[in-house]
Amino acid sequence: QVTLRESGPALVKPTQTLTLTCTFSGFSLSTSGMRVSWIRQPPGKALEWLARIDWDDDKFYSTSLKTRLTISKDTSKNQVVLTMTNMDPVDTATYYCARGTTVTNIDYWGQGTLVTVSS
Amino acid sequence: QSVLTQPPSVSAAPGQKVTISCSGSSSNIGNHYVSWYQQLPGTAPKVLIYDNNKRPSGIPDRFSGSKSGTSVTLGITGLQTGDEAEYYCGTWDSSLSAGVFGGGTKLTVL
Repeated sequence: QVTLRESGPALVKPTQTLTLTCTFSGFSLSTSGMRVSWIRQPPGKALEWLARIDWDDDKFYSTSLKTRLTISKDTSKNQVVLTMTNMDPVDTATYYCARGTTVTNIDYWGQGTLVTVSS
Repeated sequence: QSVLTQPPSVSAAPGQKVTISCSGSSSNIGNHYVSWYQQLPGTAPKVLIYDNNKRPSGIPDRFSGSKSGTSVTLGITGLQTGDEAEYYCGTWDSSLSAGVFGGGTKLTVL
């Protein structure tokens, strides 16, 4: 059974760095073809793709947020970490991590974690 | 402004059929498979359709997907009140080297 769970602070101050951890089970990110993405959704708004890391350590980032994002994995811990620098109130959103088995198919999603950016 | 374009809302009566469109370009839909996701209120998205027209196990055949050129369509037949949700299309964009989603379509079952 594949599960993913996001964890991190619920509240961050403007200009701070956000660190989110995705802890997963039911698959290994060292298996060929496996991928984990981060996606966010501001309250009442659409999904926004942020970043993806692949089994071979290839990394991809949203063009508009590339300078602020870093994605990494710890295969031994079954974790993927996303850091986002210089947080702003417009970054307030529910952040999801999700598994992909192909470039285009995201088949399992975490429940999401709401991050509020406020002083 | 989303890379993929969806209508903001659609509606239909219970038992009827509805379609939701998603348009893109050659760098995304035109050259990649597309997935459709259903997001019920207050929950995480769930995949309904992948690879343009395939259904994961457990998804009823009331849900279907099709593709033509740089557009895809999600079809839902036999509408139920439980189908009221936000629907998103998503794929990869080769020019951006990034994932892309549509702006979402809110389905109302009248």
